Amino acid sequence: EVQLVESGGGLVQPGGSLRLSCAASGFTFSTYWMYWVRQAPGKGLVWVSHINSDGSSTTYADSVKGRFTISRDNAKNTLYLQMNSLRAEDTAVYYCARSFDNWGQGTLVTVSS
Amino acid sequence: DVVMTQSPLSLPVTLGQPASISCRSSQSLVYSDGNTYLHWFQQRPGQSPRRLIYKVSNRDSGVPDRFSGSGSGTDFTLKISRVEAEDVGVYYCMQGTHWPPWTFGQGTTVEIK
Repeated sequence: EVQLVESGGGLVQPGGSLRLSCAASGFTFSTYWMYWVRQAPGKGLVWVSHINSDGSSTTYADSVKGRFTISRDNAKNTLYLQMNSLRAEDTAVYYCARSFDNWGQGTLVTVSS
Repeated sequence: DVVMTQSPLSLPVTLGQPASISCRSSQSLVYSDGNTYLHWFQQRPGQSPRRLIYKVSNRDSGVPDRFSGSGSGTDFTLKISRVEAEDVGVYYCMQGTHWPPWTFGQGTTVEIK
């Protein structure tokens, strides 16, 4: 069974940093593209970032470019999202997704003073 | 960026009756490989998104056959043949042809009358 479990969310002040993790199991992690998608409270789904299977290629939404960094450790079956210079508008539930066919339960990031 | 426009945004339906959601893209979603990367997701209240339909008309594993997808080019439709109580939630279309970014529609809320 495919499982994606996010962690690392929490309350952070504007300008602060957080690192989200997504632990994958039940499939060959190293062969899949992975994604981060976020959902602000009461709003729709917004793609944040993608990484290819070996980590050599990444893309970002304009709203996070230069502030967020996606990475993966295929030996640990884990996806990461390093979030720096956080803003109030980054407040959202962050989901990791495997090729969009399987999603984690999400982790809430709240940016507030 | 490709803009995805869904209609209606709210859809009250009587149990056992059909429902239809439209999704239009700002440009053709036919990729150079001949595939059309238009997918549909369901998000039940308090849950993570779940992919229902991939590449226009292919149901994901475990998705009831009352869900169907159709369309081509820029116009796509998700149909529920007979709405059941468990179908309540928000439905999103998403394009994966012209990336980055991967873009979602605004979401359509299906509720029971």
